[in-house]
Amino acid sequence: EADIYQTPRYLVIGTGKKITLECSQTMGHDKMYWYQQDPGMELHLIHYSYGVNSTEKGDLSSESTVSRIRTEHFPLTLESARPSHTSQYLCASSEYGGSNNYGYTFGSGTRLTVV
Amino acid sequence: LAKTTQPISMDSYEGQEVNITCSHNNIATNDYITWYQQFPSQGPRFIIQGYKTKVTNEVASLFIPADRKSSTLSLPRVSLSDTAVYYCLVGDEYSGGGADGLTFGKGTHLIIQP
Repeated sequence: EADIYQTPRYLVIGTGKKITLECSQTMGHDKMYWYQQDPGMELHLIHYSYGVNSTEKGDLSSESTVSRIRTEHFPLTLESARPSHTSQYLCASSEYGGSNNYGYTFGSGTRLTVV
Repeated sequence: LAKTTQPISMDSYEGQEVNITCSHNNIATNDYITWYQQFPSQGPRFIIQGYKTKVTNEVASLFIPADRKSSTLSLPRVSLSDTAVYYCLVGDEYSGGGADGLTFGKGTHLIIQP
């Protein structure tokens, strides 16, 4: 049973459209992340958050933006989609400190295609 | 964060034991070693985590020598469904990955044949 949910699972959209990828977790985790991954390639961190009202950019520059108004919700927005944004976007969460098991929990991902 | 090195790919056959070794020469005192599994078009899934010696769960075993500069993920009696990418990561509960998320690297592409 998934504790972190991403919607939509697949999305095909035209160039120039605004899109929001949704990510929600029910574990009460403080830290949340967005990764971008092309087929057969590495995961690249594009955004992360320590908690409510905290957002930071990751290692890979991205034209997307994120918000963290509620602990459980970490949506990612592309104001104007381009074909170069075609990729898989993975959301993850983790506890912050105080635990021996700090493992990440990932969602199933959103496969985005911009045409 | 400690950098990890693992083989790009490995092949094996159903029913065999598979061992994937990861090098992490610069591991810090507070760092844990965690392995993830990823199937195509899915997010990585936590497999096992350890700090030293040996850890075993229902899926795998993790062997960590005393110097902690390497670790070996052991998958007993693999099946076709174990074909996936396996990532070795190092960090502590605050770096979880660090101030800025864990770096997954390229991982090891494990292919299991009939």
